Amino acid sequence: GAVVSQHPSRVICKSGTSVKIECRSLDFQATTMFWYRQFPKKSLMLMATSNEGSKATYEQGVEKDKFLINHASLTLSTLTVTSAHPEDSSFYICSANLLWSGYNEQFFGPGTRLTVL
Amino acid sequence: AQKITQTQPGMFVQEKEAVTLDCTYDTSDPSYGLFWYKQPSSGEMIFLIYQGSYDQQNATEGRYSLNFQKARKSANLVISASQLGDSAMYFCAMREGLEGGATNKLIFGTGTLLAVQP
Repeated sequence: GAVVSQHPSRVICKSGTSVKIECRSLDFQATTMFWYRQFPKKSLMLMATSNEGSKATYEQGVEKDKFLINHASLTLSTLTVTSAHPEDSSFYICSANLLWSGYNEQFFGPGTRLTVL
Repeated sequence: AQKITQTQPGMFVQEKEAVTLDCTYDTSDPSYGLFWYKQPSSGEMIFLIYQGSYDQQNATEGRYSLNFQKARKSANLVISASQLGDSAMYFCAMREGLEGGATNKLIFGTGTLLAVQP
């Protein structure tokens, strides 16, 4: 149980285009999901907290107009990188929050590798 | 200030030996949780072990144990009987605030790359 999927796993796009990444909790409902980005050989940096039915909460320094987050249902959150540029190339990972064995745990998706040419 | 510090960018260990990965944290919140994750080259984040700030005993999960030294604010991961498949990046993470609280943000350390040698 507690499986999180991401689609696509890998995407290459041209500079200036928009890319949508989906994060789904497959066997549980998640009112809260999180979006992270990870540069090569670096740590995960939290971008935003995605709340079902309400606006996402962005971390300081993350442009909300650049990284659009929609959490339309209890099992799906989407991250859209708008007008992508090469510096947006990164590994994007989502996680879904679940109360598990008495404590809150985040279950991570497999990640999406974005390359902007 | 760094909230989670992993001072070992890389570690080598011989197969079947034990290895300790260091993690120190900084928080003024009396309630917090500490996590260790494994990230193989495929990129997925694999949960290994959890320690709550009020837990009296050190957490253990199979070959993984967490050496929780609350006064020193350290939460080192011990992997016993290392296997070749343990070669990966390991991240320590902290959640501040009450268990079950509305916010469950994780703050990650910079990671330690573990290489298990045959």
